[in-house]
This record gives sequence, C-alpha cells and structure tokens, in this order.
Amino acid sequence: AQTVTQSQPEMSVQEAETVTLSCTYDTSENNYYLFWYKQPPSRQMILVIRQEAYKQQNATENRFSVNFQKAAKSFSLKISDSQLGDTAMYFCLAAGNKLTFGGGTRVLVKP
Amino acid sequence: DAGVTQSPTHLIKTRGQQVTLRCSPKSGHDTVSWYQQALGQGPQFIFQYYEEEERQRGNFPDRFSGHQFPNYSSELNVNALLLGDSALYLCASSLGQPKFNYGYTFGSGTRLTVV
Repeated sequence: AQTVTQSQPEMSVQEAETVTLSCTYDTSENNYYLFWYKQPPSRQMILVIRQEAYKQQNATENRFSVNFQKAAKSFSLKISDSQLGDTAMYFCLAAGNKLTFGGGTRVLVKP
Repeated sequence: DAGVTQSPTHLIKTRGQQVTLRCSPKSGHDTVSWYQQALGQGPQFIFQYYEEEERQRGNFPDRFSGHQFPNYSSELNVNALLLGDSALYLCASSLGQPKFNYGYTFGSGTRLTVV
C-alpha cells in the first residue's frame, strides 16, 4: 500500500516570511514521483513542484523548493517570501503505479 | 491551449438516482483519472482510463464505473447514489500510462450533492 501523511492541518504565515510544510510517504515502489499541488478556493488543483525520486537534487521552482530525504521518505515544501495569493490548501502526492494524496495542509498568508 | 474541462460544475441528485459526470482532457493528453474529494479531505483515487480501458482502480465499489471515448474524453457514472457520495469529483489528465510521472492537469471539478 502507498500512503502519504501531512501532519499539519493548518499553517499561518505573515506576508513575505517563509513557511515549511511537511510530508512523509511510504511506498514499496522503486520508481516514483512526488508532487506538491495547491488548491485555492476556486477548487482547481495547480501543480507547484515535482520531484523525481531517483534524483537526489532538490527541486526548486521560483519561491518554492523542496527538501527531499529519500531514506527518511520525507518531502517537505518551503514557500519563501510568502504572498497573499499563496493562501490555499496544499497537497502532497506520491505517484507510482497509483496516485495517492495526503490529507492536505491549509496555508493562510496574513498581510 | 484548453485545460481540463469538467461538466456540469454543480449537480444535485436524490438518493438512489444515477449520475454521469464528464471530463475533456487537456489537449495532447491521453490518460484520464478520476478522484473523489470529500469536504476538508484530500482527493481519493477512483480509477484511471487509458486507451479506452480501465487501467487502475482505487477502493471504490462497482457502483462507480467509467468510460473513455476515442477522443480521450471520459465519463464517470455513479449508480444507486448514497448521501455519502456527496463530494467534489475531480478529473485529471496526463500523458502516458501506467506511471503517473509527467504531472497532472486537473479540472475544476463537479460538486455533487445527494439529498
């Protein structure tokens, strides 16, 4: 079975500051991918960042970066210089033969 | 370049009825997956279609069925609706199967309410 756990139901951060979202996963597959998606109130899932498990280098995408610890099966997301538009639900996903979502972390960016 | 289109956006049905939800994938994508997202929870994988066949299935009863057409669009059918089927149903398209390795483009979902 493949599981994804997000232990923080909700996080708040001041505008321009940094917030880190945690994600741990468990999979028996050797070849898999990890993603962070955000879901704003508009409901549409938007890809934030993608990490290939066989690559050791942490992925970055502008203000978003990950800390991928394969041995620990950890895949945290760091949002730097937080903006009001970052307010959303954030989901961690593990993708092997099946796609598994974590339970989500609600991020609230305060002005 | 059109993204994923889902219809309808909202739907209200009565217990015991049947419902059909529709999804048109992003241009160039050939794989469609469906997810059920209960309020305040993460989406749960229902099934995936590729080459007009169901390739993967999550832990959902047979009341949930689907179809993929030659143009890659897809339908999700739910029979004998229960109150617990009330949720946001998301469709995602991607390229290639079985590995979900290219990333997914999601639609905005269909909000189904069963009364």
